[in-house]
Amino acid sequence: QVQLVESGGGVVQPGRSLRLSCAPSGFTFNTYAMHWVRQAPGKGLQWVADISSGGIDKYYADSVKGRFTISRDNSKNTLYLQMNSLRADDTAIYFCARSSGSGSSYRIDYWGQGTPVTVSS
Amino acid sequence: IQMTQSPSTLSASVGDRVTITCRASQDISSYLAWFQQKPGKAPQSLIYGASTLHSGVPSKFSGSGSGTDFTLTISSLQPEDFATYYCQQYKTYPITFGQGTRLDIK
Repeated sequence: QVQLVESGGGVVQPGRSLRLSCAPSGFTFNTYAMHWVRQAPGKGLQWVADISSGGIDKYYADSVKGRFTISRDNSKNTLYLQMNSLRADDTAIYFCARSSGSGSSYRIDYWGQGTPVTVSS
Repeated sequence: IQMTQSPSTLSASVGDRVTITCRASQDISSYLAWFQQKPGKAPQSLIYGASTLHSGVPSKFSGSGSGTDFTLTISSLQPEDFATYYCQQYKTYPITFGQGTRLDIK
């Protein structure tokens, strides 16, 4: 069955960096686009970024554009989110999610359990 | 595209049938998904393409609509159905979610 396991979350000071990872299993990773979605404490879901199956096409929410970079290593079966210049309002649970297709305009079908990121001095 | 759900909170009893509405600020055709989230857990897929059930989701859940107005209906509520529900459009970037509807036990 499809499983997505995030790692790399933690407590980080404002202005610092953090890299999240997502390890998929149960499907052929290099044929699916992937997403990051976050949820601030007590708040709703916010889409962060996605990347096409081959890693060429990437899209970002305006709130993270220029600070976050989504990437993937299909040879290592891993999805990444590099987060730079972190701010307090980036504090959230970060979910890795699978798209049902290889590119844009496909739904999210499976979610990981999330990894918490706290930005605080 | 802004997604607006109503109501924000809904109180219902076991056995009830409830409907949640989601409105898009512009036409999204049928690029609309619904998710269920329980406290401390990851969201789970319910419906995509406005009306197609995700694999394994019981038929008590149903979705309808196209363009800008959509509904999620849950029939014969059971204790495990009390959760928060989100709509999401995936037609246009940035992908956007509704603010959520919390379904409480009355």
